[in-house]
Amino acid sequence: KAGVTQTPRYLIKTRGQQVTLSCSPISGHRSVSWYQQTPGQGLQFLFEYFSETQRNKGNFPGRFSGRQFSNSRSEMNVSTLELGDSALYLCASSADPPGSGANVLTFGAGSRLTVL
Amino acid sequence: DQQVKQNSPSLSVQEGRISILNCDYTNSMFDYFLWYKKYPAEGPTFLISISSIKDKNEDGRFTVFLNKSAKHLSLHIVPSQPGDSAVYFCAASDAGNMLTFGGGTRLMVKP
Repeated sequence: KAGVTQTPRYLIKTRGQQVTLSCSPISGHRSVSWYQQTPGQGLQFLFEYFSETQRNKGNFPGRFSGRQFSNSRSEMNVSTLELGDSALYLCASSADPPGSGANVLTFGAGSRLTVL
Repeated sequence: DQQVKQNSPSLSVQEGRISILNCDYTNSMFDYFLWYKKYPAEGPTFLISISSIKDKNEDGRFTVFLNKSAKHLSLHIVPSQPGDSAVYFCAASDAGNMLTFGGGTRLMVKP
């Protein structure tokens, strides 16, 4: 069974640009979450999608957005990039819908974004 | 505010000895707790979990203890092995919603 796949693994952008990151969940998983990992802030929740609907959103500015497609694949977009957006962006999938109880997430390897 | 805290950024242990990683939380609505392990250049890997209705869960060398009154959980690794060297994150969820993570503890197991 293939794991969570994230593309691209590494990318470099400059301030003001925008970026789109992609995530393919484990086959059969319909819940996809995104987290940002930075050295100072640890893992911070960005948003969670289930059945193409955003179910939860973290405390990030509107420059951060996401969506989920009918095949459960998800993308996140960051517009008008700032230096502080440099981070490892992690996608995770779960077989369980949000609020269903135990929530064990399976993470991908992440997309490392560097903003210059 | 940090709802989940891991106060020790790093821990060094001799191979074969016990590793104890600690985690504190403030939100009394958390009802499910997990530990993840992370190697460099990889995503976090699920290790072990515990429901708030239990106070202990064991899986091989890994045991998680939950003290609800103190809002504290700990992960015990016995015996510790060099391959256990990684960053360990504790996480908590409320009714199966998004996970809130601690800042992580880097464990180094010396041969």
